[in-house]
Amino acid sequence: EDQVTQSPEALRLQEGESSSLNCSYTVSGLRGLFWYRQDPGKGPEFLFTLYSAGEEKEKERLKATLTKKESFLHITAPKPEDSATYLCAVLMGTSYGKLTFGQGTILTVHP
Amino acid sequence: EPEVTQTPSHQVTQMGQEVILRCVPISNHLYFYWYRQILGQKVEFLVSFYNNEISEKSEIFDDQFSVERPDGSNFTLKIRSTKLEDSAMYFCASGGTSAYNEQFFGPGTRLTVL
Repeated sequence: EDQVTQSPEALRLQEGESSSLNCSYTVSGLRGLFWYRQDPGKGPEFLFTLYSAGEEKEKERLKATLTKKESFLHITAPKPEDSATYLCAVLMGTSYGKLTFGQGTILTVHP
Repeated sequence: EPEVTQTPSHQVTQMGQEVILRCVPISNHLYFYWYRQILGQKVEFLVSFYNNEISEKSEIFDDQFSVERPDGSNFTLKIRSTKLEDSAMYFCASGGTSAYNEQFFGPGTRLTVL
């Protein structure tokens, strides 16, 4: 069965304390891996798409990387406004746009 | 910046009633989706829609569910006879010109079935 697992479930950081979130997947024929940010009561907000192993994308304090088995979302010098749930989702080549989501990592950044 | 919009933001209904959730996708997108998220759980895929027909649907999307694009701008999800377990946040999403493009999500409709 295709699975997407994110770790840790929750992460508490001090402002400026860099860290990484992990998304591991066991799917056949990965077509793309997507990172989203979700604030409470809101819809997922698109961050990055990664299509092949070795690919990296950056946006402000966030950097996403992809290997054949997992993806990392690196957060450099986080600020309190980076507090949110970060979701990873995978797309298989056999699907018509069906994203399979992980359960998310709840990030809290304290000032 | 273009965005996906959804109405209503919150819908309360009695068990057994029909509800229609509405979405306006980003205007030049061709692929449309519905997902749901039960409180505290993962976001789950319901259905994908392209060229006026369903491309893929999940096991959740049974005969009680239907989707429609009644005109050039709206995309709707109908639940014919709601159950308590249908209570969830429902998200509409749209993608560009390929099923492999990133998907942009709306703010969601919170459906509460009493």
